[in-house]
Amino acid sequence: EDQVTQSPEALRLQEGESSSLNCSYTVSGLRGLFWYRQDPGKGPEFLFTLYSAGEEKEKERLKATLTKKESFLHITAPKPEDSATYLCAVEIQGAQKLVFGQGTRLTINP
Amino acid sequence: GAVVSQHPSRVICKSGTSVKIECRSLDFQATTMFWYRQFPKKSLMLMATSNEGSKATYEQGVEKDKFLINHASLTLSTLTVTSAHPEDSSFYICSASKVSNTGELFFGEGSRLTVL
Repeated sequence: EDQVTQSPEALRLQEGESSSLNCSYTVSGLRGLFWYRQDPGKGPEFLFTLYSAGEEKEKERLKATLTKKESFLHITAPKPEDSATYLCAVEIQGAQKLVFGQGTRLTINP
Repeated sequence: GAVVSQHPSRVICKSGTSVKIECRSLDFQATTMFWYRQFPKKSLMLMATSNEGSKATYEQGVEKDKFLINHASLTLSTLTVTSAHPEDSSFYICSASKVSNTGELFFGEGSRLTVL
């Protein structure tokens, strides 16, 4: 069964304290891995797409990396406005849909 | 980025009534739209995949007769929750993909349904 697991479920950091969020996956065939940000009561906002192991993408304080089994979302010197739930999703080869992880609720304290 | 509009953002209805939620792609044509349901502090659960001009494909465990999906045009899909019950209360989110890329989805703002 295709599965996406994110850890930790929740993470509290002080402003400026760097850390990483993990997304591990077990799928029959990976077409792509996606990171989204979701604010409370809102729809997810697209951040990154990664397609092959070793690939990295960066946007402001965020960097996403991909291996054959997992992806990391690194956040460097975070600010309170980075507080949100970060969702990881995988697109499976041959299936026209995304499978989402349960998300990591990130809180950055000033 | 592409814009997907969802309406209404909040709806409260009485048990037994039907509610329609609209999802529109405002600046692109969406051959495929997806409907998700999200419980508090949980991830998105795919309910169905909607392709323009054809019947929706429902995920296992999703009642087709309760959650009616119509994708009448390349910019509009609707989800109708029929004979709503309190357990149908949830956050419903639609998303759309551009023609060439299925994975990069653009999400609507979501619709909070409360059934009394």
